[in-house]
Amino acid sequence: KNQVEQSPQSLIILEGKNCTLQCNYTVSPFSNLRWYKQDTGRGPVSLTIMTFSENTKSNGRYTATLDADTKQSSLHITASQLSDSASYICVVSAGHSGGGADGLTFGKGTHLIIQP
Amino acid sequence: EAGVAQSPRYKIIEKRQSVAFWCNPISGHATLYWYQQILGQGPKLLIQFQNNGVVDDSQLPKDRFSAERLKGVDSTLKIQPAKLEDSAVYLCASSLGSTGPHGGTQYFGPGTRLLVL
Repeated sequence: KNQVEQSPQSLIILEGKNCTLQCNYTVSPFSNLRWYKQDTGRGPVSLTIMTFSENTKSNGRYTATLDADTKQSSLHITASQLSDSASYICVVSAGHSGGGADGLTFGKGTHLIIQP
Repeated sequence: EAGVAQSPRYKIIEKRQSVAFWCNPISGHATLYWYQQILGQGPKLLIQFQNNGVVDDSQLPKDRFSAERLKGVDSTLKIQPAKLEDSAVYLCASSLGSTGPHGGTQYFGPGTRLLVL
């Protein structure tokens, strides 16, 4: 069964500090991995997407890494801001031929709180 | 570019009542998804449409949930009758297509928060 596990479940850090969120997956065959940010009361917004051959991808202060051998990904946030307070969801896509269902497996998310 | 629109934003009903949610995807997006997100959890796919055809409804509780996308654009999700455990946020998302490693990025709407009493 395909699974995505995220840790920690929740995290509180001070504004300006860095943090790293973890995602472990057992999805086969692997196609790509996405990190989404979900603000309270809103739908998720895509931050990064990585395929098997990519091991790092940046989007501003967000940097995602992927180790396809160990099936782990991390999302590193640099110099956190109050607006980074949100849930961060890891989503892994299983490979498939065109035209079918996406085979997406969602993690439960990490709830991040940035304190002033 | 306008985003994915959903309505209503909030709905409170009593158990055994019926409820319907509406979604208008981003113009030109062929693929439309409905998700259920229970508090503290990640979204769970209920149904995926490609144009007006269903490609995955394996996790849709078909005894009470139904969805349609008749003209391949807007979609409605209905619950009849609702149960207490249906209380959740219902997210609609759309994408240009569902194929390819970098394709299929989903754009989510704001969701409809449903509370069943």
